[in-house]
Amino acid sequence: EVLLVESGGTLVQPGGSLRLSCAASGFTFSKFWMNWVRQAPGKGLEWVANINEDGIKTYYLDSVRGRFTISRDNAKHSLYLQMDSLRVEDTALYYCAGTLVTDDYWGQGTLVTVSS
Amino acid sequence: DVLLTQSPLSLPVTLGQPASISCRSSESLVHSDGNTYLNWFRQRPGQSPRRLIYRVSNRDSGVPDRFSGSGSDTDFTLKISRVEAEDVGIYYCMQGSHWPPITFGQGTRLEIK
Repeated sequence: EVLLVESGGTLVQPGGSLRLSCAASGFTFSKFWMNWVRQAPGKGLEWVANINEDGIKTYYLDSVRGRFTISRDNAKHSLYLQMDSLRVEDTALYYCAGTLVTDDYWGQGTLVTVSS
Repeated sequence: DVLLTQSPLSLPVTLGQPASISCRSSESLVHSDGNTYLNWFRQRPGQSPRRLIYRVSNRDSGVPDRFSGSGSDTDFTLKISRVEAEDVGIYYCMQGSHWPPITFGQGTRLEIK
């Protein structure tokens, strides 16, 4: 069974930092591009960042570039998102998602709330 | 950034009737490798998104054949031949041809009349 389990979401003040984790199992993690996608309350889907199979290539949404850092540890089958200088508008449910041409897996999400 | 515009935004459908959702792109989604990376997702209430269609017209594993995707260049369509109760949710198109950023349409809410 494929599982992606996100963790690390919580309430944080504006300007604060948070590290999200995503633990993968049931598929060959090291072969997949991995993404973070977020969904603000009552809103649509917004891609945040992704990373290639070996972790060398990373890409970001303009509004998070320089504040967020995506990384992965293939030995631990884990994906991470370091979030710094958080803003109220970063409040959302953050999903990790793994993508191959013929396969696409999503976790259940972890909620990040940025508020004073 | 590539803008994807879905219509309609709300789609009430009678059980057993067909449904169609349009996704129009602000630019051609034909990638330099010749492929068109336009996918469709469904998000049921309270659940994570699930991909239904990849590269315009390819159904993901386990997706019923009443779902079909079509289109080219800037104009794409998701069709459901006969809507069932389990099809309720929000449908999103997504493009991966010109990124970053990967972009999604604003979503179409399908409900049963």
